[in-house]
Amino acid sequence: DAKTTQPPSMDCAEGRAANLPCNHSTISGNEYVYWYRQIHSQGPQYIIHGLKNNETNEMASLIITEDRKSSTLILPHATLRDTAVYYCIVRVLKVSNFGNEKLTFGTGTRLTIIP
Amino acid sequence: DAGITQSPRHKVTETGTPVTLRCHQTENHRYMYWYRQDPGHGLRLIHYSYGVKDTDKGEVSDGYSVSRSKTEDFLLTLESATSSQTSVYFCAISAAGNQPQHFGDGTRLSIL
Repeated sequence: DAKTTQPPSMDCAEGRAANLPCNHSTISGNEYVYWYRQIHSQGPQYIIHGLKNNETNEMASLIITEDRKSSTLILPHATLRDTAVYYCIVRVLKVSNFGNEKLTFGTGTRLTIIP
Repeated sequence: DAGITQSPRHKVTETGTPVTLRCHQTENHRYMYWYRQDPGHGLRLIHYSYGVKDTDKGEVSDGYSVSRSKTEDFLLTLESATSSQTSVYFCAISAAGNQPQHFGDGTRLSIL
């Protein structure tokens, strides 16, 4: 799986959009970009994933550059409950993913929402 | 939230004792995983299961065994606990190997 680079920490004002960048310059054509977050003392929470098109769900939007070397997770209206460590992960998804089941979590970005 | 229950949530035990952690799911998902999380190491996969009685090793499987006799339950056993196994243990599930994994709230295990 390709390595990712994220800033160690970011702040965002409550109610504003939080934009979390991720660099994955060595990503392969068959690797997806996943985002998870971990709120203190809880298990990681799946947010969103995508291959090359932009994706949106009820939690966030994922913008992937055309060359797929970087992406941005957008939380449109950040709240205090969004304070967490956010992990960007790239992962090959085979038909069965047999033998490649692990998720490799890096150090992530610690996002703090400021009241 | 995915229906995942880990038990116990907290446990303190002594070196050399056997320990079993349980992960129970109500989603009927095929895949189940055990991870441990330690400062400076992130999450590391211990074992995973791709069906009843079908399991395989992850990257840090030494000292751990698993069993899955029912779809809904995945057990992690430390046969003879050591202090290096003090950690937070997370269970995860996914409908298929290529689907997102959803995590439980973890078990905090301390081995003295």
